[in-house]
Amino acid sequence: QSVLTQPPSASGTPGQRVTISCSGRSSNIGSNIVNWYQQVPGTAPKLLMYSTYQRPSGVPDRFSGSKSGTSASLAISGLQSEDEADYYCAAWDDSLSGWVFGGGTKLTVL
Amino acid sequence: QVQLVESGGGVVQPGRSLRLSCAASGFTFNTYRMHWVRQAPGKGLEWVASILNDVSTKYYAGSVKGRFTISRDNSRNTLYLQMNGLRVEDTALYYCVRGSELDPWGQGTLVTVSS
Repeated sequence: QSVLTQPPSASGTPGQRVTISCSGRSSNIGSNIVNWYQQVPGTAPKLLMYSTYQRPSGVPDRFSGSKSGTSASLAISGLQSEDEADYYCAAWDDSLSGWVFGGGTKLTVL
Repeated sequence: QVQLVESGGGVVQPGRSLRLSCAASGFTFNTYRMHWVRQAPGKGLEWVASILNDVSTKYYAGSVKGRFTISRDNSRNTLYLQMNGLRVEDTALYYCVRGSELDPWGQGTLVTVSS
């Protein structure tokens, strides 16, 4: 059971906008920044969003992050086939003194 | 470019020990905190341990506290994970990860605990 809660799956058609949610607590998302990672099967995770809203260089602006209270979201607009991957949210947890991850969301592009 | 190369994984019996290494290059190693994150086969990501630049400040997940020890040698640009008392549930791909944003990640080294 992951500390952060994500839906196990999400899907959309090319060009659509999809949103992936990440629910936590006051000790993690409620008081710290959120990062998002993209993992294509068979490869290492890649940083997709950091400090809740920031995109690393090379990440298209189709990806955006947001946070409200103890929940965060990753939005992907103009969905493309190469976006098909697993997505994980992560945050530092002040009570646990460690990083916590969501269980991951498998995104399928129909 | 930044490179993180893990090594030391393998098949080990329950209760035995293993030491993982992560060779870092392409950046100033001693200015970054470092982490180990693992992924059991077909499962999600689980943070294992972190060590700050100062070498002495360390954090551990509850599932490994008292069994695993994270360390670093800044003169060798190398991160370590000493794993003692291994359990079947420690079977996973272990990633070495850099910095406050947990970026980038190495390719991982596979640890299999089985009798």
